[in-house]
Amino acid sequence: DAGVIQSPRHEVTEMGQEVTLRCKPISGHDYLFWYRQTMMRGLELLIYFNNNVPIDDSGMPEDRFSAKMPNASFSTLKIQPSEPRDSAVYFCASSLGAGETGELFFGEGSRLTVL
Amino acid sequence: KQEVTQIPAALSVPEGENLVLNCSFTDSAIYNLQWFRQDPGKGLTSLLLIQSSQREQTSGRLNASLDKSSGRSTLYIAASQPGDSATYLCAVKWGAQKLVFGQGTRLTINP
Repeated sequence: DAGVIQSPRHEVTEMGQEVTLRCKPISGHDYLFWYRQTMMRGLELLIYFNNNVPIDDSGMPEDRFSAKMPNASFSTLKIQPSEPRDSAVYFCASSLGAGETGELFFGEGSRLTVL
Repeated sequence: KQEVTQIPAALSVPEGENLVLNCSFTDSAIYNLQWFRQDPGKGLTSLLLIQSSQREQTSGRLNASLDKSSGRSTLYIAASQPGDSATYLCAVKWGAQKLVFGQGTRLTINP
C-alpha cells in the first residue's frame, strides 16, 4: 500500500484566500483523522471520521474550518478565509478498527503558510 | 485532564550507546499507547503500539514498555546509530479515537 497520501505538500497563500487540503487514507481503513502541528501547541486533533461520517469535530478551531469525507478514499480540510495564525503543518492519518488496536498511520503532511 | 508528558525535550548521546526515552500519562485507564518517530519536515512513522493488556512490544533494536499503574512508558533504543536521530513522540488513547500526544523528545546521536 502507498500509505496515507496528502496534497499539496506545501501551500503558500495570502490572508483571506480559501485553502483546500486533500487526503487519501490507506485502503480499507475505517477511521480518518485530521491533525494540526505547530511549535507552540504540538499535535492537535481537529476532527475525525468513522466510515465517512464525522464523529468528533470539537477540535476544529473556528467556523472557518470545515472537513468532508465524501467517500472512503478521499477527504478534504478547507479553511475559508485563511488567516496567518492558521500557518501550520496539517496531517491526515488513518487507522483500522477501534479500541486497543487501531494503529495510526500518518501522511507526510501539508505545510501551510498564510501571509 | 488527560495529559502526556515527555522528558527530556532534547537528548544528545554518542553513537553506540543504549538509551531510554520516557513518557508519562495522567490517567491509567488507557486503550493503548503508541510511539512514533518524526524526521524534520516529515510525517510521523509508527514505531510500536502497546495495547492496554500488554506490558511491552519489541521491534528490532526498539523495545517499548508500559506500566499503567504508574502511568509510564519507556522506549529503549539499543546500540544507537546516527540514523536514529529524530523526534520521538508518545501518544496515548484514552477512549473513542482520540490520541493525546506528548511534546516529543528530540534525539541526536553523535557519530
